[in-house]
Formats: sequence, structure tokens, C-alpha cells
Amino acid sequence: EAEVAQSPRYKITEKSQAVAFWCDPISGHATLYWYRQILGQGPELLVQFQDESVVDDSQLPKDRFSAERLKGVDSTLKIQPAELGDSAMYLCASSRLRADRDEQFFGPGTRLTVL
Amino acid sequence: GQQLNQSPQSMFIQEGEDVSMNCTSSSIFNTWLWYKQDPGEGPVLLIALYKAGELTSNGRLTAQFGITRKDSFLNISASIPSDVGIYFCAGDEYGNKLVFGAGTILRVKS
Repeated sequence: EAEVAQSPRYKITEKSQAVAFWCDPISGHATLYWYRQILGQGPELLVQFQDESVVDDSQLPKDRFSAERLKGVDSTLKIQPAELGDSAMYLCASSRLRADRDEQFFGPGTRLTVL
Repeated sequence: GQQLNQSPQSMFIQEGEDVSMNCTSSSIFNTWLWYKQDPGEGPVLLIALYKAGELTSNGRLTAQFGITRKDSFLNISASIPSDVGIYFCAGDEYGNKLVFGAGTILRVKS
């Protein structure tokens, strides 16, 4: 069964360092999402891509976060510089482009710890 | 922003018991989704609901899309130890943008 791939699974970094996360969506899924999940809470959307274009990045802290999906397939989320409050699970999800269906499938996530 | 109220926050039940949890919203949703998340893993989609009043089952799981389109519930029948985890509801108000509840933690005593 096709799955969303993410790497690394775990990342420990010191504050002020740069970190990057990678996501490969399910083949054929045009829409890709990055979420942040703080312990004890539900995921919150950071950025949504349709193919290579950003559809919604209203919740992305653009002073330190950036995301790209250059060829409309895999995607990278970067944080520079990392802050203590960025410690969280970063989840990638993908879905087909269908207005009447919104089934988003998640990857295993990257657990980020900022020291 | 949009708020989803999910209850209960946690449940500790005996194996074999039925479980019920629900989500309510302050506004109307077009889609309700239910996910299960195990520790250290990403959420796994359990059930998707697209029409008001819709009742959908997936094995021992049953979910319903409320008539008012502002609520949804999930039932698990005859719970087993592998049902342990965190269950999230998520709603889509418009344009494939999901809002998640805070989750219900389910623990099962065997």
C-alpha cells in the first residue's frame, strides 16, 4: 500500500541552528500539506501545496520557516534559526485533487527537539 | 480561528466495552474525518464522512456526520487492547483545509 515517506524520523538540534525535513507524498497526489503537532494537541496546518504552488501558508512563520515543492512531487520544510518553541512533531500529508473528497494521508512524522 | 471541541479528553475502559466519543464545531463543516494516532507515529485515517446524516462503518468502528453539520461521533464496539491510542476528529469547512480536535486518549484494561 502506498505511503507518505518522511525523513528524518527524529532530529535533535541546538537553538539557532538550521534544520530541514523531507517529504515524499503518495504517487499521484497533487496536494501536499505540512502540519506541526505540539504534544497533547491536534495537528495544525503550516503550509499547503497544489502541485508546485503554495495554496495556503498563512500559518507559516515566514521569518524562520520556508517550504518548497520545486517539481510538484517531494517537498522540503526548513527552519532557520530553530528556537526552543519549535520542538514538536512535523507531519506531512497528501491527498488527491478532488473537490468532493478530502482524505488526507499522513506520513510517520519527524520529531524535532531543540535544545 | 476555527475551534473543534472533542470529548472526552481521555477514557480508561475495560476490554470488551463499547466506546463513544464526539466532536462539535462552532460552524458548519462539509467533511468530517476520524484519525487514530499511535505514539511517535502519524495519524491514520479511520473513517471519512461527506454528507449530513451519513453513518459509516469500518469494522468495529462506526461514525456519523451530524444532521446540523456541526458535530460528529465515533463509536468503537467491543474494544480490544490494540484500540489504545489517540483518536482525532477533523473537519473541513472549505477547500481541503482540515481543522483538528485536541484528541481523545483511549486506554484499555485487559
